[in-house]
Amino acid sequence: EAGVTQSPTHLIKTRGQQATLRCSPISGHTSVYWYQQALGLGLQFLLWYDEGEERNRGNFPPRFSGRQFPNYSSELNVNALELEDSALYLCASSYLTGGLETQYFGPGTRLLVL
Amino acid sequence: DAKTTQPTSMDCAEGRAANLPCNHSTISGNEYVYWYRQIHSQGPQYIIHGLKNNETNEMASLIITEDRKSSTLILPHATLRDTAVYYCIVRPTWAGNMLTFGGGTRLMVKP
Repeated sequence: EAGVTQSPTHLIKTRGQQATLRCSPISGHTSVYWYQQALGLGLQFLLWYDEGEERNRGNFPPRFSGRQFPNYSSELNVNALELEDSALYLCASSYLTGGLETQYFGPGTRLLVL
Repeated sequence: DAKTTQPTSMDCAEGRAANLPCNHSTISGNEYVYWYRQIHSQGPQYIIHGLKNNETNEMASLIITEDRKSSTLILPHATLRDTAVYYCIVRPTWAGNMLTFGGGTRLMVKP
């Protein structure tokens, strides 16, 4: 079974540009979560998508946005990049079965803003 | 959400069992114990989860005390590739609950 995939693995942008990060969930998973992990820090929840809808977002400015496509893949867009946006961006997918939900992570996209 | 307390770091000899403790004294009745690990800032890897019974899978065993206030993750035969930061999390399992990683335990497996 293929795991969660993310692309690109690395992304270098300059301040003010836009970045688009992509995530393909495990087959059969309908939920996608996005997290930011800055260097040396813990996970910060960004967004949760389920069945194509944004269900929840973390404490991030509106320039962080995304969407989920009919095939449940997702993309995260970061507009007007700032230096502090440099981080590892992680996508996790999950599905609910028997009332239990477990999140499985992809390898991440490392974004560097210069 | 309940908080967890883990030792900052541990060492383990290769081939020996690694026992990683976690305290979660304020865990609620509907919260599960989850373990993840993260190797070299890769994506976190799910290991195992449990509610109140001991659990075992191909990666590890999870022992939860009867009062559910603490648990231990056991890697039965640690290898060098098990060197990672291990995170213990308590959370409800319904959808939409984002994961919050604390400091975790940095496990160093030594030859």
